[in-house]
Amino acid sequence: SYELTQPPSVSVSPGQTARITCVGDALPKKYGHWYQQRSGQAPVLVIYEDTKRPSGIPERFSGSSSGTMATLTISAVQVEDEADYYCFSADSDGIQRVFGGGTKLSVL
Amino acid sequence: EVQLVQSGAELKKPGDSLKISCTGSGYSFSTHWIGWVRQRPGKGLEWIGIVFPADSDLKYNPSFQGHVTISADKSLKTAYLQWSSLRASDTAMYYCARQDYGDPDAFNVWGQGTMVTV
Repeated sequence: SYELTQPPSVSVSPGQTARITCVGDALPKKYGHWYQQRSGQAPVLVIYEDTKRPSGIPERFSGSSSGTMATLTISAVQVEDEADYYCFSADSDGIQRVFGGGTKLSVL
Repeated sequence: EVQLVQSGAELKKPGDSLKISCTGSGYSFSTHWIGWVRQRPGKGLEWIGIVFPADSDLKYNPSFQGHVTISADKSLKTAYLQWSSLRASDTAMYYCARQDYGDPDAFNVWGQGTMVTV
C-alpha cells in the first residue's frame, strides 16, 4: 500500500522558520495537501495542491514540491502554530489516498 | 455560513450496527465531495473514503472497503458512514469534511467529529 513519510517531530523557537517534509513516490505526479490539527480540534487545510493557500490562512504558511518530496514551510513561527501537521496525497493510480504519519511541531 | 454538523457520540458493543451522519448547510450540498476520516485515540489521520452526493459516486480506501459503507442523501443534505458489525478496533473519532477549490482531496470544511466507542 502507498505511504507518505513525515518526520515525527520538528522543534523551533518563536520567530524561526519551520520546514516539514513529506516523501512519497507518487508526489511528482500527484498534488500534496497539508492539514494542521491542534490538540483536541478538527483538522484545518493550510495548503492545497502543493502551493496554494486557502483563504484565511496566514501568509507565513507556504508549500512547495520537488520530485518525491513536498514541503510545508512556516515562516516566523508563532506559539499558536504548535500542532500536528499531516500531508495528504494519492497514489500514482489515483485510487488510494493516504495521510502521512503526521509531524508534531513544537514551538519552544 | 458553510458548516458540517455531525451526529453525537456513540457507545456500542462489538457486533452492533451503527450509522453516523454529517449534515451540510450554507452551500450546494450535491456538488461537493464529502469525505470521512478516522482518528484512533492518540493516533494519526486515516482516509476512509469519499462520496459525491449528486450521483453517489464513491471512492473507498481499500483498507476500509467491505467493513464500512459510505452513502449520501442529497435531499436531506446528509452523508453517512455505517457499520453492520462493529469491532473494538473501530473505536475512534470520525470526521466528515467537504472538498473545495475543485479538488476532491482539498477538505476545507470539517465537521466537529463523532466519537465512536466500541
